[in-house]
Amino acid sequence: SQKIEQNSEALNIQEGKTATLTCNYTNYSPAYLQWYRQDPGRGPVFLLLIRENEKEKRKERLKVTFDTTLKQSLFHITASQPADSATYLCALDFRYALNFGKGTSLLVTP
Amino acid sequence: GAGVSQSPSNKVTEKGKDVELRCDPISGHTALYWYRQSLGQGLEFLIYFQGNSAPDKSGLPSDRFSAERTGGSVSTLTIQRTQQEDSAVYLCASSLGAGETGELFFGEGSRLTVL
Repeated sequence: SQKIEQNSEALNIQEGKTATLTCNYTNYSPAYLQWYRQDPGRGPVFLLLIRENEKEKRKERLKVTFDTTLKQSLFHITASQPADSATYLCALDFRYALNFGKGTSLLVTP
Repeated sequence: GAGVSQSPSNKVTEKGKDVELRCDPISGHTALYWYRQSLGQGLEFLIYFQGNSAPDKSGLPSDRFSAERTGGSVSTLTIQRTQQEDSAVYLCASSLGAGETGELFFGEGSRLTVL
């Protein structure tokens, strides 16, 4: 069955460093992949979408890579700030909906 | 409204009761989704509506769950004879729905607690 894996352990980094989050998938050939941010008690908020024919996409301090051979996406936040602390979810297209990973919690300390 | 609106934001009910959760999507969005998020778990797809087409109900966990979308806009998720394992946050999302699944806009969720 299709599986999306994200690090279950929280990622703790110091302010100013680059945070790198990983999303791996199996039994899947997605046309595109999305990343969302979720704060406690809130709904997820869309960040970036990357298609299977795109290797990399950037938006301000965010960068996403998509390697369909490795079946992996990396999500980078450069010059991280305490306000970036949240849970980050990756999602893959599934029919006309999205399948989500369980998310990785990021904590950026001053 | 500007975003996806869900009500109630919190619902506490007794086991065996029926509950209705409402979702008002962004105006003009033809696609509407329901997801469930249990504590420490990822988002679990429940049901998808696209315009006037028959909904994709493949994610509904049991026949106690049903959903309607009236007039291509507001949607209601109904859970009959609630069980404790139904306790979760129920999230609604909408999207433009033209072709591929694009960005999903989520509401803040309805937190259901079944005692």
